[in-house]
Amino acid sequence: NAGVTQTPKFRVLKTGQSMTLLCAQDMNHEYMYWYRQDPGMGLRLIHYSVGEGTTAKGEVPDGYNVSRLKKQNFLLGLESAAPSQTSVYFCASRERGSSEAFFGQGTRLTVV
Amino acid sequence: AQSVTQPDIHITVSEGASLELRCNYSYGATPYLFWYVQSPGQGLQLLLKYFSGDTLVQGIKGFEAEFKRSQSSFNLRKPSVHWSDAAEYFCAVMGAGGTSYGKLTFGQGTILTVHP
Repeated sequence: NAGVTQTPKFRVLKTGQSMTLLCAQDMNHEYMYWYRQDPGMGLRLIHYSVGEGTTAKGEVPDGYNVSRLKKQNFLLGLESAAPSQTSVYFCASRERGSSEAFFGQGTRLTVV
Repeated sequence: AQSVTQPDIHITVSEGASLELRCNYSYGATPYLFWYVQSPGQGLQLLLKYFSGDTLVQGIKGFEAEFKRSQSSFNLRKPSVHWSDAAEYFCAVMGAGGTSYGKLTFGQGTILTVHP
């Protein structure tokens, strides 16, 4: 039972490069989330999805795009990476209704 | 817009002492409330949750939290802290309806240090 899997776990990018972070869940969950975690800032919601084919903006969406083409996958894209996007990124998923969210182990991204 | 505030960035307690971590939320109605714990380099683990009913909820590892609607608070407590409780704790609110339904927002986190 893999739960929520994030790929890759670590990445170093140069300013201006693009990349996609993949989040995959095998629990058939409806909802999926992308957060970034920075010291003293807690987890800030970037984008989320309430179902396949739908996405919504969170608190800090600028500079990121997402797609949910398949129910089990939620992709986070950085079109032109900036040093301010250096962070640890967490993906989470949850079932519809009043249930807890399950988190991946995080992706540490450094933009130089 | 919904939001969560954890007033204490860092708390230090002695092992065996009692603990209370504060959480205040902003939401137009009664939200769903959660407490998560994160050990260094790890993801987040759910401690407990509140949806409705009894305002005192019990969680794992001996933690409990009390929902107080009048104070918009959901404080986490533990009667006797163990060294293994040292971690970062996050309070979270999830919209229970309207345009915020399903939106899960976290506080800034409280780092707990336990002295032997």
